[in-house]
Amino acid sequence: DIVMTQSPDSLAVSLGERATINCKSSQSVLYSSNNKNYLAWYQQKPGQPPKLLIYWASTRESGVPDRFSGGGSGTDFTLTISSLQAEDVAVYYCQQYYTTPSYSFGQGTKLEIK
Amino acid sequence: QLQLQESGPGLVKPSETLSLTCTVSGGSISSSNYYWGWLRQPPGKGLEWIGTIYYSGGTYYNPSLKSRVTISVDTSKNQFSLKLNSVTAADTAVYYCARDNSRYYDSIGGFDYWGQGTLVTVSS
Repeated sequence: DIVMTQSPDSLAVSLGERATINCKSSQSVLYSSNNKNYLAWYQQKPGQPPKLLIYWASTRESGVPDRFSGGGSGTDFTLTISSLQAEDVAVYYCQQYYTTPSYSFGQGTKLEIK
Repeated sequence: QLQLQESGPGLVKPSETLSLTCTVSGGSISSSNYYWGWLRQPPGKGLEWIGTIYYSGGTYYNPSLKSRVTISVDTSKNQFSLKLNSVTAADTAVYYCARDNSRYYDSIGGFDYWGQGTLVTVSS
């Protein structure tokens, strides 16, 4: 099983500042045949289902603002919000789908306004 | 626009079976391009994948729940269902159904459409 570990568990950032969330997988999620990382990021606001933000570790889902970006490869990944907006307050999860259709999620990172 | 809606009892007694149905509208569950999944989230905690089904009936379960889970599909009703038996308080959670866009190695991956979720409480 691939274990996903996020850091930090919670994060407080000032409006307009950069927020960075880390995700580490216990084994590589890079598929060598297509050089793609099977890693997704989700945003979950209170009382709502998760929303897919990023897939292939760095590709934004349609409609996601460009202040959200994903990076990394292999076992280490980041989600960056370049300029935090009030509406970005949420819990963020990473998920690996390398072992599709069996999946695992990180424990979540709670992002708040400082 | 694809929509998913969970339905079922919000209260289940310990040792009994939790049963939920997900109704898909705005698209066909019989599409060869997708899987369909169940996930859950205990109050205040993170997401847990429960299992996934393909329209033809192939199923894949979380090993930690496999002995208690059954997922089935009814293509005539555009629905798929979850049964979790021998429930305990630890199974209290919001249960979500979602479209799994990881069917092919070059699919975008991830769960791209979700139901709103339904809270199931296990209590006598």
